[in-house]
Amino acid sequence: DAGVIQSPRHEVTEMGQEVTLRCKPISGHNSLFWYRQTMMRGLELLIYFNNNVPIDDSGMPEDRFSAKMPNASFSTLKIQPSEPRDSAVYFCASSPRGRENIQYFGAGTRLSVL
Amino acid sequence: RKEVEQDPGPFNVPEGATVAFNCTYSNSASQSFFWYRQDCRKEPKLLMSVYSSGNEDGRFTAQLNRASQYISLLIRDSKLSDSATYLCVVYNDYKLSFGAGTTVTVRA
Repeated sequence: DAGVIQSPRHEVTEMGQEVTLRCKPISGHNSLFWYRQTMMRGLELLIYFNNNVPIDDSGMPEDRFSAKMPNASFSTLKIQPSEPRDSAVYFCASSPRGRENIQYFGAGTRLSVL
Repeated sequence: RKEVEQDPGPFNVPEGATVAFNCTYSNSASQSFFWYRQDCRKEPKLLMSVYSSGNEDGRFTAQLNRASQYISLLIRDSKLSDSATYLCVVYNDYKLSFGAGTTVTVRA
């Protein structure tokens, strides 16, 4: 079975550019999470969707970050404009209905903003 | 105060050794508890759930002390393949809170 699929795996961009990260959750899962991992702050939850609806976006750092989930099989995390401090690994995770405590992570997108 | 605090290590042990480490959590209302494993430059993966009665999964033993808000993991008969970062994870409502991780290196 396919797991959570993220793209791209690596992204190198210049400060000020727009960055879009993509995620395809496991089929049938109705919860989706975006996380960011850095050495300084560890793994942090950015946003949580349930049934395609954003439930908690309190972890989104600032207005430069936005996330969408137009349907059950696709989500995007956008950074515009990007800054060097956004450099991190961004993970997407999904969980089955009623089991938000069991989250399956994608391989992550390693973002470098120069 | 961080929600989950872990000793970062590193723990550097020979093959066959036993290694144990723990974490503490701040929210006494936390609902469930886990250990995740993360290999270098990879995604976190669920290692095992943690129950108050203590539970084993092969060479791995996890323990939860709700009164002290303390979670432990013990690895017996360490293998080279156990080298990884172990993340202590606490769940409350829909949210997983991750510790910073404990790095374990098993040497031949």
